[in-house]
Amino acid sequence: QSALTQPASLSGSPGQSITISCTGTSSDIGSYNLVSWFQQHPGKAPKLMIYEGTKRPSGVSNRFSGSKSGNTASLTISGLQAEDEAEYYCCSYAGSSTHVFGPGTKVTVL
Amino acid sequence: QLQLQESGPGLVNPSETLSLICTVTGGSISSSSYYWAWVRQPPGKGLEWIGSIYYSGGTFYNPSLKSRVIISIDTSKNQFSLRLNSVTAADTALYYCARLTTAIVAFDFWGQGTLVIVSS
Repeated sequence: QSALTQPASLSGSPGQSITISCTGTSSDIGSYNLVSWFQQHPGKAPKLMIYEGTKRPSGVSNRFSGSKSGNTASLTISGLQAEDEAEYYCCSYAGSSTHVFGPGTKVTVL
Repeated sequence: QLQLQESGPGLVNPSETLSLICTVTGGSISSSSYYWAWVRQPPGKGLEWIGSIYYSGGTFYNPSLKSRVIISIDTSKNQFSLRLNSVTAADTALYYCARLTTAIVAFDFWGQGTLVIVSS
């Protein structure tokens, strides 16, 4: 079970869009439409933002959207706002009731 | 309102066993709709799934930790537990308990986390 890969950091100006990639393998992301994304602010617990690759839990802004192509999942944040500055983690189901996280991407709003 | 609360020693000696409990309130741990999980985060680093348990007692572990981990569940107390043996400084982390909803296969509720430091 290998960890997923994500860019260490991304930045954007308010109002812009950014896309965070999450690359796995044919054993995790490539085999299941079960990627979730979490937002984590400093000192806080992770918050579920996207599940099943593209779906948003109730209460999550529609500025957040997810997609998948092959072994890579992506999270797009549109209309970037100051409050979006946080660490973002992807997580994929990897079969046999196991899960694997990415290393996280720090998003900075300029 | 569902709440998950981690508890346990904040300091563990190297080579000893780390033991944590997660108490679930506002919902039943015995529901077939959920798994219950432990996730950890070393200081300044990313998240790592440790393992999950089903209400029936079935367990699933991260292969990299499997030889040292035991997760158990006590439905009478609405709690589940983590035991990690032979700890080293590399096991120093913020330990979270979380709920995974089977219908969406996602960790949708988290505790606040508890910091465990491995040091003599």
